[in-house]
Amino acid sequence: QSVLTQPPSASGTPGQRVTISCSGSSSNIGSNTVNWYQQLPGTAPKLLIYSNNQRPSGVPDRFSGSKSGTSASLAISGLQSEDEADYYCTAWDDSLNGYYVFGTGTKVTVL
Amino acid sequence: QVQLQESGPGLMKPSETLSLTCTVSGGSISSSYWSWIRQPPGKGLEWIGYISDTGSTNSNPSLKSRVTISGDTSKNQFSLKLRSVTAADTAFYYCAREDYDYSGGYFQHWGQGTLVTVSS
Repeated sequence: QSVLTQPPSASGTPGQRVTISCSGSSSNIGSNTVNWYQQLPGTAPKLLIYSNNQRPSGVPDRFSGSKSGTSASLAISGLQSEDEADYYCTAWDDSLNGYYVFGTGTKVTVL
Repeated sequence: QVQLQESGPGLMKPSETLSLTCTVSGGSISSSYWSWIRQPPGKGLEWIGYISDTGSTNSNPSLKSRVTISGDTSKNQFSLKLRSVTAADTAFYYCAREDYDYSGGYFQHWGQGTLVTVSS
C-alpha cells in the first residue's frame, strides 16, 4: 500500500524558514493534488494548504505549498512559536479503487 | 458553519465490532462526501473510507474487508463499522467532510475525534 514519505522532524529558530518535503509516486502526487494539514497537540488536524498551493481563509501567508512531479513541499517562513506542531501531506492515490494516502508526518520544533 | 461530532464506545474487546456515528450539523450528508480517518496514539493519520452524497462508499484497501460505512439522511448522520477489532485498531477516530475545487478534494471540516481503545 502506498504511503507518502516525510522527514520525521524539522526545526528552526523564530523568524527562520523551514521546509518539509513529501515524496510519493506517479499514482498519487504525480497524478493528483496535494493537501497539507497542521495538527497541534491534542487537537484534530487543520487544513493548511489545499490543491498544492492554496490557503484556506484564515491561514497566514507564511505558509506556502508547491508540487513538482511526484514530490511536494510545505514552507513556513517567519517561523513562530505557535507553528510548533505535526504536519501531514496527503493525496488521492489512483491505484485499486482509489484511496487517500497520508504522509508519515513531520514534527516541527521551534528552537 | 459545518460541525461534526463523533460518538461511540471508548473501550472494546478484541474480536468485537467497532461502531461509531458522526452527527453533522450545519450541512447535509446528502451533499458532499463524508470520510472516516483514524490515528493511533502518537502515530500518523490513516484514511478509512467515505460515503458519498449518493450513498456510494469506498474504503482503504488495507481495511476494506472489515469496513462498512453507511448513512442516515433522516438523522443527518453517517456511521462506521469495523469488524474483528484488535489492539492495532486502537486509535483516535475522526469524521470529516470532503470539500472540492476544480482540481481535487480536501478535508476542511473535522470532528474533534474520539478515542477507541481495544483491550482484553
